[in-house]
Amino acid sequence: GDSVTQKQGQVTLSEDDFLFINCTYSTTTYPTLLWYVQYPGQGPQLLLKVTTANNKGISRGFEATYDKGTTSFHLQKASVQESDSAVYFCALVDGTGGYKVVFGSGTRLLVSP
Amino acid sequence: DPKIIQKPKYLVAVTGSEKILICEQYLGHNAMYWYRQSAKKPLEFMFSYSYQKLMDNQTASSRFQPQSSKKNHLDLQITALKPDDSATYFCASSQAAGGAAEQFFGPGTRLTVL
Repeated sequence: GDSVTQKQGQVTLSEDDFLFINCTYSTTTYPTLLWYVQYPGQGPQLLLKVTTANNKGISRGFEATYDKGTTSFHLQKASVQESDSAVYFCALVDGTGGYKVVFGSGTRLLVSP
Repeated sequence: DPKIIQKPKYLVAVTGSEKILICEQYLGHNAMYWYRQSAKKPLEFMFSYSYQKLMDNQTASSRFQPQSSKKNHLDLQITALKPDDSATYFCASSQAAGGAAEQFFGPGTRLTVL
């Protein structure tokens, strides 16, 4: 079945550092790829979405590019702020019927001032 | 005002008991979902409903039963609770069925089974 892999369990940065979170996926269909962000005590919220049609998503300074060749969907931000501290989930929409979202294990981002 | 309400926020139960987790959405959405998040596993899809009909079920155990009394309600009944059921359960909804439509998540119910 479809799967998403995030190898970085935690990333620790200082404000204004560059952020890069690795994500790779496996699917037999043309996926819709997603990044969700989860703040403490809250449910996940959609950060950005990319389909094979547009290849790149940008939101709130974050961007992710869909690379079919490497089956990757890395998340980047040029300059992080302390308020970006949260858990980030890479995910994809299941292509078979499309009723569920398959999540990666999440990457906790800690940004110090 | 919160658009997706989950009750209760915290729930403690004893092994073998039964609990119902409540979810109501006021987004006017037609599809609703349940996900589970625990320390051992990432966010895990459980069920999806569209217009009050079950569309997908990825939960192996029949101890988990969704109940939809209204289009904007999708409760989750869990019977014969086990310590392994301890997790945060998230309800979500989307305008249309299908994961391509953005799914909005509620704040979750944290269940602890002793």
